[in-house]
Amino acid sequence: AQKITQTQPGMFVQEKEAVTLDCTYDTSDQSYGLFWYKQPSSGEMIFLIYQGSYDEQNATEGRYSLNFQKARKSANLVISASQLGDSAMYFCAMREADYGNNRLAFGKGNQVVVIP
Amino acid sequence: AAGVIQSPRHLIKEKRETATLKCYPIPRHDTVYWYQQGPGQDPQFLISFYEKMQSDKGSIPDRFSAQQFSDYHSELNMSSLELGDSALYFCASSFRTGTGVSGANVLTFGAGSRLTVL
Repeated sequence: AQKITQTQPGMFVQEKEAVTLDCTYDTSDQSYGLFWYKQPSSGEMIFLIYQGSYDEQNATEGRYSLNFQKARKSANLVISASQLGDSAMYFCAMREADYGNNRLAFGKGNQVVVIP
Repeated sequence: AAGVIQSPRHLIKEKRETATLKCYPIPRHDTVYWYQQGPGQDPQFLISFYEKMQSDKGSIPDRFSAQQFSDYHSELNMSSLELGDSALYFCASSFRTGTGVSGANVLTFGAGSRLTVL
């Protein structure tokens, strides 16, 4: 069963606006990590932000912030002040404690197109 | 800063041929991972190595094998290629600080090797 769910259709975002990408996850572990990666059309996977399950504060990295709602098992990515270079596929991923080897399980991704 | 280096970036093979992909992890990273991403799909975990020993195995076909060498570079060998093997193959590396979730231990991905099987 898919552990990470990303169900939003492709999104068009106006430049300079904020966009929220939804991610819900499924785990019975108490200790886990959540990641967001960006994949532009060139194909590389770029790490954006990390949230640990025990982190009390939402993670932030520059224009990226993670809205972590543990009880709802959601880890939404917020991109503020969108730029044209933000056009990409965005993947949410989870590492569970019982893997023990840092294996990541990815969602299906959210496509974002930023328009001028 | 040094990144994860993958080669070749692009590879075209015929069905039933063999392909080898190479990965050079970030220096001092002790774990290497291989992922396969089919067209329009999410990356799927294949296999990982910790300190040159296989540490975890995912949905890697029996036709595929991988190893990590003494210099920490890794190779993914794919034989009897099928059309469905056409994909983007990522190598990633990270630190591993024991079992369980311990800090971020972020996986840094290479740019990927795009394999096309004709």
